[in-house]
Amino acid sequence: AQSVTQLGSHVSVSEGALVLLRCNYSSSVPPYLFWYVQYPNQGLQLLLKYTSAATLVKGINGFEAEFKKSETSFHLTKPSAHMSDAAEYFCAVGKMDSSYKLIFGSGTRLLVRP
Amino acid sequence: EAQVTQNPRYLITVTGKKLTVTCSQNMNHEYMSWYRQDPGLGLRQIYYSMNVEVTDKGDVPEGYKVSRKEKRNFPLILESPSPNQTSLYFCASSSLAGRSYEQYFGPGTRLTVT
Repeated sequence: AQSVTQLGSHVSVSEGALVLLRCNYSSSVPPYLFWYVQYPNQGLQLLLKYTSAATLVKGINGFEAEFKKSETSFHLTKPSAHMSDAAEYFCAVGKMDSSYKLIFGSGTRLLVRP
Repeated sequence: EAQVTQNPRYLITVTGKKLTVTCSQNMNHEYMSWYRQDPGLGLRQIYYSMNVEVTDKGDVPEGYKVSRKEKRNFPLILESPSPNQTSLYFCASSSLAGRSYEQYFGPGTRLTVT
């Protein structure tokens, strides 16, 4: 069965510091992996996606994620946090069955301190 | 502009009073889905539709109904809402071409049932 685990429900960083949000997945087949961001009172916006073309995936707003099969991880990083990055971030995996759904992690809220 | 729209954005209702949340997409997507978001649980799929007149249950379908009479619309119906259906609801759509699993989300509907 496929699943996603996000370590840390809250992560706090200083402005300008490295952002690291952790995501581990479970899948018996090559996965489709996603990071979505949810700003306050808004819907989910796609940050980036992994679809087996390249292990290092670059997304919007300076974020990137690296697919590591040996570690079953897809951690999200950004070299320098900005106040506008404060939001909730969700990692998701595409479920390989007829439902075509996304299985989401429980989310990580990123706080950026001035 | 390609988008998924939902209405209403906010709704407060009482137990047992039937309600409908509308969802519409303008991208000619075959696939549409409803998710609910609850704190600490991420997003969970309620119902999905692979095309017109084709719908199926997701992970948490109890107390909900859907219909897909037109390709662009996928309303969510709560015939007798209960307080445990208080949640944030998202509609999503996706193209089935290429099977990329990338889903586009609406802005969300925050429902409170008292």
